[in-house]
Amino acid sequence: AQSVTQLGSHVSVSEGALVLLRCNYSSSVPPYLFWYVQYPNQGLQLLLKYTSAATLVKGINGFEAEFKKSETSFHLTKPSAHMSDAAEYFCAVSGYGNNRLAFGKGNQVVVIP
Amino acid sequence: DTAVSQTPKYLVTQMGNDKSIKCEQNLGHDTMYWYKQDSKKFLKIMFSYNNKELIINETVPNRFSPKSPDKAHLNLHINSLELGDSAVYFCASSQENRGGNTEAFFGQGTRLTVV
Repeated sequence: AQSVTQLGSHVSVSEGALVLLRCNYSSSVPPYLFWYVQYPNQGLQLLLKYTSAATLVKGINGFEAEFKKSETSFHLTKPSAHMSDAAEYFCAVSGYGNNRLAFGKGNQVVVIP
Repeated sequence: DTAVSQTPKYLVTQMGNDKSIKCEQNLGHDTMYWYKQDSKKFLKIMFSYNNKELIINETVPNRFSPKSPDKAHLNLHINSLELGDSAVYFCASSQENRGGNTEAFFGQGTRLTVV
């Protein structure tokens, strides 16, 4: 079974500052990792995904994440936060032969002007 | 065009009632899902269908019954609604891939409130 852990449910960041959201995974098979964003009262939108190609993955809206097998991590970063980045962010994992997504508890990002 | 659409977006109902949520996807995917998001925003899979066949059924009360008339539709019927069923229910779809590396596309969610 696969699982992910996201620490710190609420993350406050100043506008223009670095956004860093941590995700650690547990998987008995090579994992496939995803970051999704959820804006208020909306569904989930894919930011980026890791599928065993490049370990540094670039996504939409200036976000990127790096897969580190030795640390079992897939942290999400954005160099400069924008007010429009305020949302809920979810890390998720699936495994080979299994399209089931296991989600972390999410991080609510608040951007301070 | 909305890729994954759910109706209704909001649903307020009394305990004990029976209600349905409908989902349709126009992406040509062959796998569809229902996820439940609780009040703490935690997302958990409930069901998954592949080409109209049930392939994932998590430990969901049997008051919840999914139905897939064709691979573009996956409806969720809930009998005898309880207060604890209040949540946001998301439909999603993906292209079946034995590798497991395809992302899911989500609908806008149905906020169910049981009073």
